[in-house]
Amino acid sequence: AQTVTQSQPEMSVQEAETVTLSCTYDTSESDYYLFWYKQPPSRQMILVIRQEAYKQQNATENRFSVNFQKAAKSFSLKISDSQLGDAAMYFCAYRGTSGTYKYIFGTGTRLKVLA
Amino acid sequence: ETGVTQTPRHLVMGMTNKKSLKCEQHLGHNAMYWYKQSAKKPLELMFVYNFKEQTENNSVPSRFSPECPNSSHLFLHLHTLQPEDSALYLCASSQGRDENYGYTFGSGTRLTVV
Repeated sequence: AQTVTQSQPEMSVQEAETVTLSCTYDTSESDYYLFWYKQPPSRQMILVIRQEAYKQQNATENRFSVNFQKAAKSFSLKISDSQLGDAAMYFCAYRGTSGTYKYIFGTGTRLKVLA
Repeated sequence: ETGVTQTPRHLVMGMTNKKSLKCEQHLGHNAMYWYKQSAKKPLELMFVYNFKEQTENNSVPSRFSPECPNSSHLFLHLHTLQPEDSALYLCASSQGRDENYGYTFGSGTRLTVV
């Protein structure tokens, strides 16, 4: 069964600095999708970025980018020029393409942004 | 109004009460989901509806009863809950059950069972 692991329960970053959140996963599939979601205090989970496993190019959305290492089954999120509004819980998620359509979520990383 | 709307935002109920959570989406999506979010645990998928039909019941106790009268509305009926059912209940939707572009989530209902 697929699993998603976020080993950092909490991270802190100074405003305007860069921070990287880690995510590893386990799967036997070759084709799948990976996601990072942000959950601010408002509680609504918002999709930050999406990566297709068959694409080698790392996804980028403005200040958010990923480092996707397929062989290592690693999918880290880099936030550049951190802003106070980036403070939130960040969840990594996996979706396979064979068998089940379920999304598998990690336990989350709480990001604090220091002014 | 757009997006996924959940009501109520907070709910406190006794173990013998009956209450319902409501979820509404205005995105034209055909799949809707209930998730349970507990502290330090991954999100737990509870139920999946695709075109109003329930396609997944993830071994959820019968004290949770979902209802999907149409593709835009989803309910979670609660009765005789236990304190361990206290959690954030999130509703989500997607264009279809099998699409790969992620979900749109609501802001959840914070449920406390006393």
